[in-house]
Amino acid sequence: GAVVSQHPSWVICKSGTSVKIECRSLDFQATTMFWYRQFPKQSLMLMATSNEGSKATYEQGVEKDKFLINHASLTLSTLTVTSAHPEDSSFYICSAKGKLWYSPLHFGNGTRLTVT
Amino acid sequence: KNEVEQSPQNLTAQEGEFITINCSYSVGISALHWLQQHPGGGIVSLFMLSSGKKKHGRLIATINIQEKHSSLHITASHPRDSAVYICAVGGGADGLTFGKGTHLIIQP
Repeated sequence: GAVVSQHPSWVICKSGTSVKIECRSLDFQATTMFWYRQFPKQSLMLMATSNEGSKATYEQGVEKDKFLINHASLTLSTLTVTSAHPEDSSFYICSAKGKLWYSPLHFGNGTRLTVT
Repeated sequence: KNEVEQSPQNLTAQEGEFITINCSYSVGISALHWLQQHPGGGIVSLFMLSSGKKKHGRLIATINIQEKHSSLHITASHPRDSAVYICAVGGGADGLTFGKGTHLIIQP
């Protein structure tokens, strides 16, 4: 079946550095990709929605200059956390879907980011 | 904004028991998803519902659009069913709004 590959699965970085997270759809064209964040013991929260070839749409309260999203192809979206701070430490997960409204959602396995 | 409420938040049951997890939402939707999140964080999509009922193995999901309510049932529960089950609504061109999840533990 369709698979979404997210990489890396975990990363530790120093405060002030940038981290890039990749989300790839392996056997389908991901017209739309979503990026979510989950703090411990809290719900997943949508950060942004990206459509291939367009600028991402960010949810209220999510800094677009800090969380850079690129969806340059139908199989790859990246999330870059710039100038990371300890409060950015979280679990980041992507999901992807095809063009049709009833296309199933497929999730990556997530990335656990720890900023020291 | 849609509000998604799940109950119970935590559930511990014995192997073999019939499990029900409930989900209510506040605004009409195009689809409702039931997701399973494993301890490592990975998420698996179990069902996407827009009406009626779906069954996959020992899992059954129902939705009542008029009442804005959905249930996830697990028959003959097994310890490997232990996970966090999350209800999420929306989809299409928009992202999902998630419930807080139900932490299920099935004891042998």
